[in-house]
Amino acid sequence: GAGVSQSPSNKVTEKGKDVELRCDPISGHTALYWYRQSLGQGLEFLIYFQGNSAPDKSGLPSDRFSAERTGGSVSTLTIQRTQQEDSAVYLCASSPSAETQYFGPGTRLLVL
Amino acid sequence: DQQVKQNSPSLSVQEGRISILNCDYTNSMFDYFLWYKKYPAEGPTFLISISSIKDKNEDGRFTVFLNKSAKHLSLHIVPSQPGDSAVYFCAFQGGSEKLVFGKGTKLTVNP
Repeated sequence: GAGVSQSPSNKVTEKGKDVELRCDPISGHTALYWYRQSLGQGLEFLIYFQGNSAPDKSGLPSDRFSAERTGGSVSTLTIQRTQQEDSAVYLCASSPSAETQYFGPGTRLLVL
Repeated sequence: DQQVKQNSPSLSVQEGRISILNCDYTNSMFDYFLWYKKYPAEGPTFLISISSIKDKNEDGRFTVFLNKSAKHLSLHIVPSQPGDSAVYFCAFQGGSEKLVFGKGTKLTVNP
């Protein structure tokens, strides 16, 4: 595809359940980023991948959050034992370089 | 510890007039500055950027200004069009790969 894709586009889950969010970056982009946007807030950095390794995980809010990237392409963000404060739009971006990041449409997560 | 401040949550301008969006920052490590535009239910779209060695970058109707001494970034849109109505985020990078975003300004351009 031409752009970054994310799935699902919307996810409603019950508190305490685990969720997996998927990101397909632009082909050939070596860098991949996860951000989240809570209501009324700016985008908050979560984690950065260069290839399959994650040199910067500093934004993950707790150990319930983890992410992996395989084959230098698809990435999965996993949230275990979801809490209501995890409700947000989770955005993935990819980049061919250290500068301009191109974003996907996001996954809207609602934890009831 | 807010490194970036986008103090105006909303801005309304008339079609054809200039829109000016502003951001202030505190982190001297920032050396790359970007503006993103976001429509509802879509991801942010890259608009324009500027590096710290410049003070102005122009792309069509969009011009970004950087005042390093004042730690101030602005985006000018002229002439503004109704299709420019969106949320605009300033974003900053420096010392690491991550972007630090402002909270956004909702621009409404009235016909």
